[in-house]
Amino acid sequence: GAVVSQHPSRVICKSGTSVKIECRSLDFQATTMFWYRQFPKQSLMLMATSNEGSKATYEQGVEKDKFLINHASLTLSTLTVTSAHPEDSSFYICSARVRSGPSYNEQFFGPGTRLTVL
Amino acid sequence: QKEVEQNSGPLSVPEGAIASLNCTYSDRGSQSFFWYRQYSGKSPELIMSIYSNGDKEDGRFTAQLNKASQYVSLLIRDSQPSDSATYLCAVNARGSYIPTFGRGTSLIVHP
Repeated sequence: GAVVSQHPSRVICKSGTSVKIECRSLDFQATTMFWYRQFPKQSLMLMATSNEGSKATYEQGVEKDKFLINHASLTLSTLTVTSAHPEDSSFYICSARVRSGPSYNEQFFGPGTRLTVL
Repeated sequence: QKEVEQNSGPLSVPEGAIASLNCTYSDRGSQSFFWYRQYSGKSPELIMSIYSNGDKEDGRFTAQLNKASQYVSLLIRDSQPSDSATYLCAVNARGSYIPTFGRGTSLIVHP
């Protein structure tokens, strides 16, 4: 159990375009999802925490108008990178939190989306 | 500021040996502790969670938690080349569901 999918797995786009990444919890309801970014050979960087039905909470230094997060249902959160630029090229990973039970607070990660902005 | 510290490595062990990975944390009130494995180019995968002092075993993996000393460790018995990856320690403070991740320890298991 606790499977998280992410789509697309890889995207290449031109500078100035917007890219939407979907994150789905397939076999459990995730009231909280997290969005991370990871540059090569660096650690995970939390971008924002997404709670179902409410506005996302962004980490310091993350532009909320550039990285739009929507968590409209208990199984789906989306991240839209608006007006993408080459410096936004990175590995974007979502995770979903198990809310209760023996796996309390465990996070399960999606497979990630590799974004390349030309 | 809550901190989670790991030696970046690489930690190199021969195949069949025990690999010992360590993590210390600064927030004494932390309550949830996790180990993730991340292969190069892939997303993290949960290996173990531990919530109380002592050892927790799952197959070849053993997580050890010592809250008094504020460290958590992961032992990998009978290490295999397929265990070569970066191991991330994550800690949740009391009352928080947002984990703080360490920078990870690179493990290399050589044949």
